[in-house]
Amino acid sequence: DQQVKQNSPSLSVQEGRISILNCDYTNSMFDYFLWYKKYPAEGPTFLISISSIKDKNEDGRFTVFLNKSAKHLSLHIVPSQPGDSAVYFCAASPNSGYALNFGKGTSLLVTP
Amino acid sequence: DAGVIQSPRHEVTEMGQEVTLRCKPISGHDYLFWYRQTMMRGLELLIYFNNNVPIDDSGMPEDRFSAKMPNASFSTLKIQPSEPRDSAVYFCASSLGDRLFFGEGSRLTVL
Repeated sequence: DQQVKQNSPSLSVQEGRISILNCDYTNSMFDYFLWYKKYPAEGPTFLISISSIKDKNEDGRFTVFLNKSAKHLSLHIVPSQPGDSAVYFCAASPNSGYALNFGKGTSLLVTP
Repeated sequence: DAGVIQSPRHEVTEMGQEVTLRCKPISGHDYLFWYRQTMMRGLELLIYFNNNVPIDDSGMPEDRFSAKMPNASFSTLKIQPSEPRDSAVYFCASSLGDRLFFGEGSRLTVL
């Protein structure tokens, strides 16, 4: 039933290294993908997005890669910083519309 | 500018009681969403509105749940009667484009 899957509940990375968060989806109608970051006791905030017409989008230390044939996307954070420690949600929507479907999230811990 | 405002931040109630969660979206946003976050299911979309009209409520778990948006600046999510399995964090979000802006959430505990 879960159309967006984040199979790693948690990830620990050393400061300065690369963090790679993965996301898989099952619905081939999804054509717009987003990553949200969530700190404790706060709502999720938008981080970066990618349309299905692209395979890569970069914003500073954050890069999202999309592999449509594999129905897979990943978020790379380079270099990772302690302030990046948060829960990261992958989200997808069909036809560039709404009704965003979210994964369960991956908790990232960046250690000094 | 004020973001999405939700109230209450925390609610503890007993099974069978009515719960009302409130949301004030960002002014000018024409979409409003209600999500529920649990450990088991992550972030689930419950219902969303466009220009105050409910568009998709297929995520509402049961008839015990209802949502209204009487005007562009206010929405409620009501649970009547509440059950322990409704315990979760409920988020409201609003949008003008493709990005959602979330409130801080309402943490509901039903005993």
